[in-house]
Amino acid sequence: TQLLEQSPQFLSIQEGENLTVYCNSSSVFSSLQWYRQEPGEGPVLLVTVVTGGEVKKLKRLTFQFGDARKDSSLHITAAQPGDTGLYLCAGDGANNLFFGTGTRLTVIP
Amino acid sequence: ETGVTQSPTHLIKTRGQQVTLRCSSQSGHNTVSWYQQALGQGPQFIFQYYREEENGRGNFPPRFSGLQFPNYSSELNVNALELDDSALYLCASRGLYTGELFFGEGSRLTVL
Repeated sequence: TQLLEQSPQFLSIQEGENLTVYCNSSSVFSSLQWYRQEPGEGPVLLVTVVTGGEVKKLKRLTFQFGDARKDSSLHITAAQPGDTGLYLCAGDGANNLFFGTGTRLTVIP
Repeated sequence: ETGVTQSPTHLIKTRGQQVTLRCSSQSGHNTVSWYQQALGQGPQFIFQYYREEENGRGNFPPRFSGLQFPNYSSELNVNALELDDSALYLCASRGLYTGELFFGEGSRLTVL
């Protein structure tokens, strides 16, 4: 059972465009993480958000945690081909992470 | 470079066979977890080991089992392979102070 739903599933945009990826759940999480996974590799942690309403910026990436700690968004400004990959959100369980369904982003040069 | 290495990177098995996947994590990382990632899906938690004892398990049958060794290596064993077991199997170790998960590159298993 997927506790975290991500949208859109697939996104193909031109270099320089902006985009937002959403991660929604009916469950409350103590923290939420965003990962990026490239083909042939494991997921790599981008950010962890902990406080409801928290906003974190990582260069061109902006992450927001919902006030109720059930949802999150990732906004990328001026996307570049190097941003291409699978973006995964993950909620922190007691001993494990609950991963979302993933958003596959392709940035076309 | 996460310091987590997995082997083999790719393997093909037939239905009913058994497989052992291996993982070597960073020195000092005494928590290791295994995830299954089917094509087009997010990773699903299989189980976690802490100091050589299983301390968490996802919704996977008993034919999925594991071991963790004192030298920070671990194994995932799957018996009686089924076609649906075809997936990327990811090992992750947890950082000692930050709690961050460091993933290996995975072992891609194909069951024919």
